[in-house]
Amino acid sequence: QQQVRQSPQSLTVWEGETAILNCSYEDSTFDYFPWYHQFPGESPALLIAIRPVSNKKEDGRFTIFFNKREKKFSLHIADSQPGDSATYFCAASEDTGNYKYVFGAGTRLKVIA
Amino acid sequence: EAAVTQSPRNKVTVTGGNVTLSCRQTNSHNYMYWYRQDTGHGLRLIHYSYGAGNLQIGDVPDGYKATRTTQEDFFLLLELASPSQTSLYFCASSDRGLNQAPLFGEGTRLSVL
Repeated sequence: QQQVRQSPQSLTVWEGETAILNCSYEDSTFDYFPWYHQFPGESPALLIAIRPVSNKKEDGRFTIFFNKREKKFSLHIADSQPGDSATYFCAASEDTGNYKYVFGAGTRLKVIA
Repeated sequence: EAAVTQSPRNKVTVTGGNVTLSCRQTNSHNYMYWYRQDTGHGLRLIHYSYGAGNLQIGDVPDGYKATRTTQEDFFLLLELASPSQTSLYFCASSDRGLNQAPLFGEGTRLSVL
């Protein structure tokens, strides 16, 4: 079974700090890596995504760093705000025409003011 | 506006009961997915489909059937519900091709007593 491993399970940072969320995978056929955030009582929503042709993708305070050799990628949230408190999921999909998305178990982020 | 609509939003049934969860998307997307979300496990893929009449097996299919009747409609069937199927169920849709991460519905909370 294809897997995406996510760590830590939970993370607490102070307002203004950079939160770092990590994911790893084993299957080399994975070719697209989105990150989602989910606020309590809501459904997951796409935040940012990357393909391995790039090793970095930025969108405002959110940056994905990608290491294809080590099969690891991370989400960095700069200048964390209390409104960023949510559960974050990484995911992966393979480029074989079979667009199956596999998700990690999630990181619960809490930003303290 | 892109939308994925699930019904019912909440459902309570008894062990051995028959349950059908419905999902409709108005995005003209080819792919539709059923996930279950449980604490500690993240989002786990039950079944998915790339078009009307097609069904692909996900990672946790036991005890579930699914049917894609049209481009828009995807149903999840629990014919003999068990307490282990108590969960939050999400439907999602995505378009063909990469860089098209799934868009999620609002979720259905199912309790099997």
